[in-house]
Amino acid sequence: EDQVTQSPEALRLQEGESSSLNCSYTVSGLRGLFWYRQDPGKGPEFLFTLYSAGEEKEKERLKATLTKKESFLHITAPKPEDSATYLCAVQAGGGGADGLTFGKGTHLIIQP
Amino acid sequence: DSGVTQTPKHLITATGQRVTLRCSPRSGDLSVYWYQQSLDQGLQFLIQYYNGEERAKGNILERFSAQQFPDLHSELNLSSLELGDSALYFCASSVGTGRSSPLHFGNGTRLTVT
Repeated sequence: EDQVTQSPEALRLQEGESSSLNCSYTVSGLRGLFWYRQDPGKGPEFLFTLYSAGEEKEKERLKATLTKKESFLHITAPKPEDSATYLCAVQAGGGGADGLTFGKGTHLIIQP
Repeated sequence: DSGVTQTPKHLITATGQRVTLRCSPRSGDLSVYWYQQSLDQGLQFLIQYYNGEERAKGNILERFSAQQFPDLHSELNLSSLELGDSALYFCASSVGTGRSSPLHFGNGTRLTVT
């Protein structure tokens, strides 16, 4: 069974204080690893897809990296508007199913 | 705006009742997915449809059913509702199957069963 574990569950940072969120996964043949951002009362918003170990993607203050067992979401000099829950998900290969298996998320709060 | 539309936004109903949630996917997307999100369980995959056909099933209860219509919109039917069915229900869509197909989510329907 595919599993995704995210840590920490919650993280409080000061504005400008960089940090990293962790996503550990076990999956039978990784087709893709996805990062989403979810604001309260909204649906998850797609950020990145990573396909193979060593791959990196960047968007503004966010950078996602991937190894064979985990992914990191690095947040550089965050601003209060980066406060959200960040979700990691995996898509397994084979079988024809395309649904994502999600972790429970990291609730990030950036204080001014 | 993801382009995925869900209605209604909120639904309050009583135990034992039946409700229907509706989803319109992004223009051009052939796959529709339904997810349930509760505080303790996170996002749980329920079911996927691709171009009108059921493609995959996740943790969907027998009391729940879904379908995708020829115009590609989808409906999720929940029956014999229980208090534990209270949750956010999200619909997502993607271009189709294949390697690079991120899911794009609507803003959900919040279901409260009293």
